Amino acid sequence: NAGVTQTPKFQVLKTGQSMTLQCAQDMNHEYMSWYRQDPGMGLRLIHYSVGAGITDQGEVPNGYNVSRSTTEDFPLRLLSAAPSQTSVYFCASSYARVGYGYTFGSGTRLTVV
Amino acid sequence: AQSVAQPEDQVNVAEGNPLTVKCTYSVSGNPYLFWYVQYPNRGLQFLLKYITGDNLVKGSYGFEAEFNKSQTSFHLKKPSALVSDSALYFCAVKDTGRRALTFGSGTRLQVQP
Repeated sequence: NAGVTQTPKFQVLKTGQSMTLQCAQDMNHEYMSWYRQDPGMGLRLIHYSVGAGITDQGEVPNGYNVSRSTTEDFPLRLLSAAPSQTSVYFCASSYARVGYGYTFGSGTRLTVV
Repeated sequence: AQSVAQPEDQVNVAEGNPLTVKCTYSVSGNPYLFWYVQYPNRGLQFLLKYITGDNLVKGSYGFEAEFNKSQTSFHLKKPSALVSDSALYFCAVKDTGRRALTFGSGTRLQVQP
């Protein structure tokens, strides 16, 4: 089925550990983004990409890195996990043309202890 | 800068009654407006969008939304609520010059039998 696939679904990390959240889409969408969802704060943009080789920061980029080597994949790297990064992470993709909405993955629930 | 406000953390309505979930926005250019719904432990699902044209937009599951440019609002409505409509609803906006969607903080809709 076409869509956005996120792995893993759940993860527990110790403070200081690093990990990569995976995101893949098979809809040939140019635009991909990562959001984090925290209670009462909605979704906040971490990083986004408008195409392979092009990435940019969102409103809460600190502590996260991204790269976009292919159209399909957009991994999010946590460099040194902190308890403040405990959250639910969503990957989303879209066509770049104006007016298209996003397709979301099912999320990764991350706990940093 | 673009922003979205959802002034109600929670909306309670009885099954069969009409429902409204409020959203106001701020953008520098023409707005593209979206509503998404999130069921427990799931990703966000697209409900409807306003790009241009008719101010009343119809979407999935019987929902509709009214775009009001003078009041900068995009309220979500449904004539007759169902218990199964109980979920978290997000309003989102982007303007013509930006790629990223900005989300509101979300409104929890509780429909009582």
